[in-house]
Amino acid sequence: GAVVSQHPSWVICKSGTSVKIECRSLDFQATTMFWYRQFPKQSLMLMATSNEGSKATYEQGVEKDKFLINHASLTLSTLTVTSAHPEDSSFYICSARAFPGTSGSYDEQYFGPGTRLTVT
Amino acid sequence: DAKTTQPTSMDCAEGRAANLPCNHSTISGNEYVYWYRQIHSQGPQYIIHGLKNNETNEMASLIITEDRKSSTLILPHATLRDTAVYYCIVIDIQGAQKLVFGQGTRLTINP
Repeated sequence: GAVVSQHPSWVICKSGTSVKIECRSLDFQATTMFWYRQFPKQSLMLMATSNEGSKATYEQGVEKDKFLINHASLTLSTLTVTSAHPEDSSFYICSARAFPGTSGSYDEQYFGPGTRLTVT
Repeated sequence: DAKTTQPTSMDCAEGRAANLPCNHSTISGNEYVYWYRQIHSQGPQYIIHGLKNNETNEMASLIITEDRKSSTLILPHATLRDTAVYYCIVIDIQGAQKLVFGQGTRLTINP
């Protein structure tokens, strides 16, 4: 089956620094990648939709200047948490939607293993 | 907002069938029912999906009512490794196909 990787799997950083998280589709091309955030004992919350070669679409309430998303190729999307603060500590998960997208049919989404960010 | 409602938690004995219900009374004709699960501190895992017919794969069976307003995920012989949070999601295949996760059902398999 399709594999999505994330790097790093966990990271600890100091308040005020920036952290970059990578999401890669290892054996397929992804037109679209999604970024989620999950706080302890809560469900996944969609942050943004990332399309290759275009600007990401952010969900309401998500600061685009704080969570920078770059989808530079069909296999890589990055999420940069800028000027991180303790309240940004969370589990960040990406998913990748296989290419080519087919109008009128569902394109399977595959999830990465997640990145646990702790800001001290 | 999620378009589904699920019980918060359920328990099941190991080796027995686990039946997880989901209500999606406002489902539209273009929307499929998808099930994912999330084992602690991992990314979600796809289980099964369906439109209106019952479906079965190596992991589970999906029973969708005739009016499509509810469905049941069945794990036929639950094991301890099936302990996870199970999410029922409806997806409009004509739209952006964003997965909107509700709170899911926390299924605990007991030895």
